[in-house]
Amino acid sequence: SAVISQKPSRDICQRGTSLTIQCQVDSQVTMMFWYRQQPGQSLTLIATANQGSEATYESGFVIDKFPISRPNLTFSTLTVSNMSPEDSSIYLCSVGGRVETQYFGPGTRLLVL
Amino acid sequence: KNEVEQSPQNLTAQEGEFITINCSYSVGISALHWLQQHPGGGIVSLFMLSSGKKKHGRLIATINIQEKHSSLHITASHPRDSAVYICAVSLYNTDKLIFGTGTRLQVFP
Repeated sequence: SAVISQKPSRDICQRGTSLTIQCQVDSQVTMMFWYRQQPGQSLTLIATANQGSEATYESGFVIDKFPISRPNLTFSTLTVSNMSPEDSSIYLCSVGGRVETQYFGPGTRLLVL
Repeated sequence: KNEVEQSPQNLTAQEGEFITINCSYSVGISALHWLQQHPGGGIVSLFMLSSGKKKHGRLIATINIQEKHSSLHITASHPRDSAVYICAVSLYNTDKLIFGTGTRLQVFP
């Protein structure tokens, strides 16, 4: 199993600023996933973060807007840059392979004013 | 058309009722996951299935690979079962998940 913590749990930010979200896992994992969940919607994959390589972004998400770091096998950060109200969402990190149980962090609730 | 479809979108039930949530998918998968999301936002994995049926307490999950369909059943539902239930599939030969839109369940005492 894996226990995942995220910081901050929530934040209210001003338009044009940036927020960095941290994700810590209690065990070493190869891949970490970052998701966005917009109000009333299901989860959308932003990117996959592998240790030692550049993150792989999904269509519609770019590195300049959502830079990701993966300095070691237990930690990752996602930055939401130059925020606008449309970025107001829950951001979640998760771990789990193709045929493995998926574990999710508690999420970071972001409100952009 | 979404690659993962869930029904119903919303479901209300009286305590004690038998609940069924359905999930259909149109892609090749390695596994199917049932997840539970409580109002606070945290997501918990309930089941991972690649064939057959699994049971955990009052929860039962089944999958029919040929028909590309899965069901999640809750027996003797309880108000604490109120949550959003999400079906997600692990795509064949990738590690990505595709999520259904979720089923919001409310169980009233």
